[in-house]
Amino acid sequence: AQKVTQAQTEISVVEKEDVTLDCVYETRDTTYYLFWYKQPPSGELVFLIRRNSFDEQNEISGRYSWNFQKSTSSFNFTITASQVVDSAVYFCALSTLSYSGAGSYQLTFGKGTKLSVIP
Amino acid sequence: DVKVTQSSRYLVKRTGEKVFLECVQDMDHENMFWYRQDPGLGLRLIYFSYDVKMKEKGDIPEGYSVSREKKERFSLILESASTNQTSMYLCASSPPRDRVSNQPQHFGDGTRLSIL
Repeated sequence: AQKVTQAQTEISVVEKEDVTLDCVYETRDTTYYLFWYKQPPSGELVFLIRRNSFDEQNEISGRYSWNFQKSTSSFNFTITASQVVDSAVYFCALSTLSYSGAGSYQLTFGKGTKLSVIP
Repeated sequence: DVKVTQSSRYLVKRTGEKVFLECVQDMDHENMFWYRQDPGLGLRLIYFSYDVKMKEKGDIPEGYSVSREKKERFSLILESASTNQTSMYLCASSPPRDRVSNQPQHFGDGTRLSIL
């Protein structure tokens, strides 16, 4: 079975603070993919990053960075110098090649972390 | 950019009605998905389709059906709407996986459905 846990239900920070969103996953597969999505108040889910299980390099994109650690089954997301526009619900998700229908795959989502950035 | 369009942002229906939620994507993606999102439960997969006329059940298919007559369109049908189907419904699409990669899913804006 696959599982994604986002233990932080809600986080509030003051603008310009750094914030880390935690994601812990469970899978028996050795090949899998991890994703982060952002859902602003308008409702659409926006794809942020995909990482495969063989690539443990951390990634930085502007103020966003991701720390993937297979040893602790974690894929944490840090926002540096947070801004009001970062206020959203953030979802971590997991997919494996074996957990799939023919030609497709399924995502298992965490329950999301609601981030509020206060001006 | 991928565009996934859901026909309605807000919809109000009555118990027992047959409800159709429509989703169209413009990127010729093989895979399409329907999720529902509820507070505290995250996103749960209802059905998905990996080709025209093909469908597979997700985690919570009860009370729903789907239709994929054309590649670009995936419809979710509530056969007899009930109040516990009040939720946010999200449609997504993606290219097929290949041997080395799972492609990200691209989502529509969602439909907030209220069943009275």
